[in-house]
Amino acid sequence: GAVVSQHPSRVICKSGTSVKIECRSLDFQATTMFWYRQFPKKSLMLMATSNEGSKATYEQGVEKDKFLINHASLTLSTLTVTSAHPEDSSFYICSAGDGSNTGELFFGEGSRLTVL
Amino acid sequence: GNSVTQMEGPVTLSEEAFLTINCTYTATGYPSLFWYVQYPGEGLQLLLKATKADDKGSNKGFEATYRKETTSFHLEKGSVQVSDSAVYFCALGARAGNMLTFGGGTRLMVKP
Repeated sequence: GAVVSQHPSRVICKSGTSVKIECRSLDFQATTMFWYRQFPKKSLMLMATSNEGSKATYEQGVEKDKFLINHASLTLSTLTVTSAHPEDSSFYICSAGDGSNTGELFFGEGSRLTVL
Repeated sequence: GNSVTQMEGPVTLSEEAFLTINCTYTATGYPSLFWYVQYPGEGLQLLLKATKADDKGSNKGFEATYRKETTSFHLEKGSVQVSDSAVYFCALGARAGNMLTFGGGTRLMVKP
């Protein structure tokens, strides 16, 4: 099946710094990728839909200036958490579809962000 | 809009017990249905899927049947193992846009 890879898997940063998380589709092209956030023992919350070559579509309540999304190529989307604060600490997961009509998504391994 | 409701956990079972995790959905059109599994500290992995009514998805001993008449996609396994301990997510996928709607997740704990 299609493979999606995220990097880094874990990152610890100081409050006020910015952190970039990469999401790559390894063996297929993804015009659309999705970024989710997961709180401890909770389900996934869709943050935004990343569209190749255009602006991301953010879900209600998600600060677009805080969570910058760039989808510069058909195999790479990045999420940058700007001026991170401890409340931004979370598990961030990306996903992408391979263009089939089944609706299946392939998920990255997730990136755990800890802001001190 | 689309929504997915699954039983709240945690579900605690002894090894070799029978597992059922209920999942029901509301949707327009004819969505695909999925079960994803998340092991501790990891991302989501597709466990099984069904793309049309009466389809049965199966993998690793798990099964789920797409029941349009009851709008359900319950996950079952005849004999669970300790290694099945994880969080299970039921999800609904629209055919266009690859957007998934997730249930709240059910944590399964299997004790030896």
